[in-house]
Parts: sequence; C-alpha cells; structure tokens
Amino acid sequence: KQEVTQIPAALSVPEGENLVLNCSFTDSAIYNLQWFRQDPGKGLTSLLLIQSSQREQTSGRLNASLDKSSGRSTLYIAASQPGDSATYLCAVKGDNYGQNFVFGPGTRLSVLP
Amino acid sequence: EAQVTQNPRYLITVTGKKLTVTCSQNMNHEYMSWYRQDPGLGLRQIYYSMNVEVTDKGDVPEGYKVSRKEKRNFPLILESPSPNQTSLYFCASRSGRLNQPQHFGDGTRLSIL
Repeated sequence: KQEVTQIPAALSVPEGENLVLNCSFTDSAIYNLQWFRQDPGKGLTSLLLIQSSQREQTSGRLNASLDKSSGRSTLYIAASQPGDSATYLCAVKGDNYGQNFVFGPGTRLSVLP
Repeated sequence: EAQVTQNPRYLITVTGKKLTVTCSQNMNHEYMSWYRQDPGLGLRQIYYSMNVEVTDKGDVPEGYKVSRKEKRNFPLILESPSPNQTSLYFCASRSGRLNQPQHFGDGTRLSIL
C-alpha cells in the first residue's frame, strides 16, 4: 500500500530565504505527483504536477523535482515571502486508471516578515 | 470562473439525521472525488466517480453514499451520521485527459454531535 510522508512537519523561516520541502513515497510505481498549498479554512490549490516521466516542473518561484526510483520529490521555493505561509501537501497517483490519490500529511510553512 | 462549489460550508447536526453535502463543478470535468481531512491522518479519499453513473469506493467509504446522475454534480450523502464522521470534507474534480491536476472546493466542516 502506498504511503506518503513529508518532512519537516513544520518550518519557520525569515522572509527572503530559499527553502526545500520534502515528500517521500514508498511505491515508485506512480503515474504522477502533485504539489498543493492549503490556506487555513480553504481548499487545496494545485501548484505543480509532475508526470512520472518528468524530472522537474517550474512555476514562477516554485520548482518541483521528482526522483521516482528513490521515491522522492522536493518543492523548492525561492525568495520566500510572507504570502507563501500555508500548508504544502504532496499527492501521488498510482500507476493505473483509477482515481486513487494518496496524500502526504503536509508541511506547515511560516514565512516571517 | 472555473470552480468547484460545495454546500454547506459549515454544518452542525446530530447523530442519525440524514444529510447531504452538495458538490458542483463548472469545468465539464469527468472525474470527481470526495475526501475527508482529519488531524494526523491527512486527506483520505471516500468515493470517486469517473463519469456519469460510474462511482467507486476510495479508502474510507463506510457510512457514506454518493451518486453521479449529472456530470457537474457529485453529492455526498450521510444516511445516518455518527460522531466519527465529524471532519473537514473536500470535493475535487479533474479533466479526463491524462495528467491533469485536481481542482478542490473550499471544504465543508461537519460536526456530528
């Protein structure tokens, strides 16, 4: 059964720092991996989706990498801002046509002004 | 504006009183899902639907029902709610094309007394 973990559980950094969030999964047979952010009282907003054949995806200050063989993905946030404060979740989709997504528990990020 | 809309956003009710949480998407997406989010357990999939009249169980389907009579709507039904169904619920949808991201609603916070 696929299990997804995220380290660290919480992170607090001063504004302007570059940071890395980690996501690990136990079964490397994934179809894709998606990073989300969740703001308090809100739903999840999709940030980046990496297909299993891809190594990385970039959107603005965000860069997500995928190493499928080692079961790892990282989300790199450059020049962090207070507005980046949120919980970041990763989710993997299994290598099938079902709709089962497995989510990690999330990393709660606080960027201090 | 493309969106997934859930109603109600908040509900407090009592054990055994049937309730329905509605979900509607305006993006003509084939796939829709329901998740619950609990502290320490993360997001877990309850049910999903790959198209009209096609539904299947996720990881935690016990105590829930769904229907997909129209493409845009995917209601979640709790026939006899119990306190262990107190949770934050999210509806999500995505296109049937490969490697498309999921879009989430803003969530429904249910409290079953």
